[in-house]
Amino acid sequence: AQKVTQAQTEISVVEKEDVTLDCVYETRDTTYYLFWYKQPPSGELVFLIRRNSFDEQNEISGRYSWNFQKSTSSFNFTITASQVVDSAVYFCALASGNTGKLIFGQGTTLQVKP
Amino acid sequence: DAGVIQSPRHEVTEMGQEVTLRCKPISGHNSLFWYRQTMMRGLELLIYFNNNVPIDDSGMPEDRFSAKMPNASFSTLKIQPSEPRDSAVYFCASSFRGHQGGTEAFFGQGTRLTVV
Repeated sequence: AQKVTQAQTEISVVEKEDVTLDCVYETRDTTYYLFWYKQPPSGELVFLIRRNSFDEQNEISGRYSWNFQKSTSSFNFTITASQVVDSAVYFCALASGNTGKLIFGQGTTLQVKP
Repeated sequence: DAGVIQSPRHEVTEMGQEVTLRCKPISGHNSLFWYRQTMMRGLELLIYFNNNVPIDDSGMPEDRFSAKMPNASFSTLKIQPSEPRDSAVYFCASSFRGHQGGTEAFFGQGTRLTVV
């Protein structure tokens, strides 16, 4: 069975702090994809990143970075120098290689205070 | 492209009424997904289509729920009769899937359904 666990339900930080959101996944597929989505207070789901199971290179995009480690089945997301606009619910998701259907974690609510 | 378009954005209906949610996927995408988001169950997949054909409807909660995709640019999710426990945000998403993999899924703005 496939499963995504985001152990942190809520995180609160002060602006400019760095914050890491944890994601652990379970799958028996050899080909799979991992994702992060952001859901701001307005409610839409915004795609942030996709990684495939064969590419363990870490990725950086501006203040965002992602650390993919197959050995620990983790795909963690770090926001550097957090800003109030980063306040949102962040979802980690898993898709098997041949369907594309997403299994979501329960989400982590990030609150960045000024 | 305008992205995935869902309508209506908000729907309030009385228990027992029929509700139809609509989705227009991104042009060129061949996979379409319906998700439901609730506080209790989070984001869960209801059904997905590939090339307009339903592939997996195991997430559809009951026979009261049905989904169709008559063509590549339109899909509906119907609930008949609706019940208060159907109150949720329903998201439609689309992606492209080919023989060598696919793209990420892009989501619509969602339809917030309230059944009273």
